[in-house]
Amino acid sequence: GENVEQHPSTLSVQEGDSAVIKCTYSDSASNYFPWYKQELGKRPQLIIDIRSNVGEKKDQRIAVTLNKTAKHFSLHITETQPEDSAVYFCAAKKTSGAGSYQLTFGKGTKLSVIP
Amino acid sequence: GAGVSQSPSNKVTEKGKDVELRCDPISGHTALYWYRQRLGQGLEFLIYFQGNSAPDKSGLPSDRFSAERTGESVSTLTIQRTQQEDSAVYLCASSLAGVVGSSYEQYFGPGTRLTVT
Repeated sequence: GENVEQHPSTLSVQEGDSAVIKCTYSDSASNYFPWYKQELGKRPQLIIDIRSNVGEKKDQRIAVTLNKTAKHFSLHITETQPEDSAVYFCAAKKTSGAGSYQLTFGKGTKLSVIP
Repeated sequence: GAGVSQSPSNKVTEKGKDVELRCDPISGHTALYWYRQRLGQGLEFLIYFQGNSAPDKSGLPSDRFSAERTGESVSTLTIQRTQQEDSAVYLCASSLAGVVGSSYEQYFGPGTRLTVT
């Protein structure tokens, strides 16, 4: 099955700096890669996703890049703000074939933005 | 519209007792997932339901865990003879996965925090 590795497990940045979280996956058939944000005591919520037919996607201060050859994808947050402090989870899934329903999550990165 | 709801929000139980956790998915969502999240840890897949198909139970950690779903509505996760290591937040999610052209996004409920004393 799919295996997703996420690094770093914790990340502290000064407000206004950029943050980068990296994930690798093992199943070359995976073609959908979402990122979820979980604030303390809250439910995980999708913040951005990317499909394998594109290499980069941006939404305001967040962006995700995908390298299918190397099987890794990254989340970039620019101009970080204290409200960006949360745990971020990457995930991967196939969109067809056996097991395509299952979303495999990384173990999470706790991001702290220091004012 | 209404999101995914779960009940109870918190449950404290004594070791050895059975507990039942409930999930109400978003109306029309064919797929339903249960995850376990231990304190400070990631999301551990437990079980998946898709419409009337046989569920994927491959993530259930032991035979003390079981889940049911009636059609495309409510699901219940039952833990029998609870142990202290069962203490965690149990999250339910639903999605339109499997519907052609739909988003793959999973919408999570607020979770049930289970504490086994």
